[in-house]
Amino acid sequence: QKEVEQDPGPLSVPEGAIVSLNCTYSNSAFQYFMWYRQYSRKGPELLMYTYSSGNKEDGRFTAQVDKSSKYISLFIRDSQPSDSATYLCAMSARYSSASKIIFGSGTRLSIRP
Amino acid sequence: DGGITQSPKYLFRKEGQNVTLSCEQNLNHDAMYWYRQDPGQGLRLIYYSQIVNDFQKGDIAEGYSVSREKKESFPLTVTSAQKNPTAFYLCASSPSQRPQETQYFGPGTRLLVL
Repeated sequence: QKEVEQDPGPLSVPEGAIVSLNCTYSNSAFQYFMWYRQYSRKGPELLMYTYSSGNKEDGRFTAQVDKSSKYISLFIRDSQPSDSATYLCAMSARYSSASKIIFGSGTRLSIRP
Repeated sequence: DGGITQSPKYLFRKEGQNVTLSCEQNLNHDAMYWYRQDPGQGLRLIYYSQIVNDFQKGDIAEGYSVSREKKESFPLTVTSAQKNPTAFYLCASSPSQRPQETQYFGPGTRLLVL
């Protein structure tokens, strides 16, 4: 079993819809949770970073962590065609040491105009 | 215009050949990283460096080598010992030893085997 599971999609929604992207994980020691956006043939871009449980909002994006269920979500409100990309979740147990960041395989999202 | 540059964008390797991927950053970041991305898989860490003249193996270092002689540069060599090198290679940097909070990626190099 992978430490981090992410549905690969593709997920296709109409413009303006609310999008929900999710990851599950098995390691209860994970405390730091990240979401990256990756456009086709480009490097990932860090969207949001959260520590422990709770919600974090940044414009149209909301990151949610439920440690009791080992489940994290990224919500995108008022989705735009420019949001079409692959979204990667990532997590780690410690704040330092790059070797312990575990990435999900990514969900491909398409927003239809 | 600050950022991370990687070259070349595409690279072709023949059997038994070593190839070197370039990564340069002008963000004045101390830490730099190399990741490999395969279809349907998450990013996997190859090597990372937290300071000049020092680097550590990541999760999949076999068949790869790096150097960190300058703060701005962190080249990756894919050696002939790497039997399955076809992948998308990503270089990243962070301003401290806390990549969870801030990590910037370059545009990537796609390596193909002839």
